[in-house]
Amino acid sequence: QVRLAQSGAEVKQPGASVKVSCKASGYTFTNFDINWVRQATGQGLEWMGRMFPNSGNAGYSQKFQGRVTLTRDTSTSTAYMEVSSLTSEDTAVYYCARALGSSSSGYYYMDVWGKGTTVTVSS
Amino acid sequence: QSVLTQPPSASGTPGQRVTISCSGSSSNLGSNTVTWYQQLPGTAPKLLIYRSNLRPSGIPDRFFGSKSGTSASLAISGLQSDDDADYYCATWDDSLSSPVFGGGTKVTVL
Repeated sequence: QVRLAQSGAEVKQPGASVKVSCKASGYTFTNFDINWVRQATGQGLEWMGRMFPNSGNAGYSQKFQGRVTLTRDTSTSTAYMEVSSLTSEDTAVYYCARALGSSSSGYYYMDVWGKGTTVTVSS
Repeated sequence: QSVLTQPPSASGTPGQRVTISCSGSSSNLGSNTVTWYQQLPGTAPKLLIYRSNLRPSGIPDRFFGSKSGTSASLAISGLQSDDDADYYCATWDDSLSSPVFGGGTKVTVL
């Protein structure tokens, strides 16, 4: 079945970077966008960016532009999200999610989600 | 501040019907369909309703989605203890060129 398997929890110091992986299985990786969404404890869902696995291009939330980098490895069907210059405000659960639809179709939704990767930023 | 506006909480007793609203603007809900996600405590969000009123396989018909203009709603009928969760609406925003979420509604089954 369709599945997104994320890497394990990370603990980082302020100022460091973290790279989270999201390995897709059960479908053709290059046919669907991969989005990244984060959720701080007790807070709502916050969209960070999306990657187009076919081209390798990515789009970012203005909030994270310049600090988040989305990449992929098509040979292993794995998407990556790297966040740099971490602060305590980046402590959250980070999710990857497959998306269907497009900006021109009138619909765009995330149908399969990874289990999440907890990133803790603490000195 | 979320782009889509949801009430922070809603509640009902088992068997009752609960409705959650989601308000947006012409650049998002006014021109795109709405999606609803259910998030049980400690788990990832799960797709509940897509393209405003469609249910993925396995989602019971107790969950009903609708959209009109720049507003949408999710109705849960025959409320069950398993429905105790957070619910998020989402859509595409043409101005931001990105998906946007509501702030979430905590549904409590009393």
